[in-house]
Amino acid sequence: GIQVEQSPPDLILQEGANSTLRCNFSDSVNNLQWFHQNPWGQLINLFYIPSGTKQNGRLSATTVATERYSLLYISSSQTTDSGVYFCAVGVTGNQFYFGTGTSLTVIP
Amino acid sequence: ETGVTQSPTHLIKTRGQQVTLRCSSQSGHNTVSWYQQALGQGPQFIFQYYREEENGRGNFPPRFSGLQFPNYSSELNVNALELDDSALYLCASSLGGSEAGTQYFGPGTRLLVL
Repeated sequence: GIQVEQSPPDLILQEGANSTLRCNFSDSVNNLQWFHQNPWGQLINLFYIPSGTKQNGRLSATTVATERYSLLYISSSQTTDSGVYFCAVGVTGNQFYFGTGTSLTVIP
Repeated sequence: ETGVTQSPTHLIKTRGQQVTLRCSSQSGHNTVSWYQQALGQGPQFIFQYYREEENGRGNFPPRFSGLQFPNYSSELNVNALELDDSALYLCASSLGGSEAGTQYFGPGTRLLVL
């Protein structure tokens, strides 16, 4: 299966700081999503972004499919941004491969 | 946002028992995928159901089985429970089977096997 690597594994930020999370994948994909997992385990869909750039408020994401990576940008971080961020990729529509996640802690 | 529901929220079983987990997909979605998430790891794909048929399976033994009903809700059954089956079980619904786009996840069922 596809290998998905996320970096950094852990990140601690002061409130208000910006950050960039990276997702590298080992093969061509036609499906890529970024998720935020809250402390209760709920996976919240952030972006469906197999290619290109999208923005939603303080969050934006860019996927460069030809170079097999995606970036998630968080600006002006807030304590509510804390949690684990996952990148998930798929070749066909029927199976997602998840990375090991980036654990983000935002301190006031 | 999701509209995906799962039951029960928590479950405690003993080794060797059987368990059934349930998932109701988001309105209009015909595809349900199940994932297992062990502590500290990313979710791992178990299988997917599209229009009541299994449409792909990950590296899980046959004691993990499933069903999808005409209303597109789904069940995950695990027989002969082992200690390593303790995990968060997530279901995701989407539209389109192999052409599925965005997947929306439910809140999960936490299973503890003693």
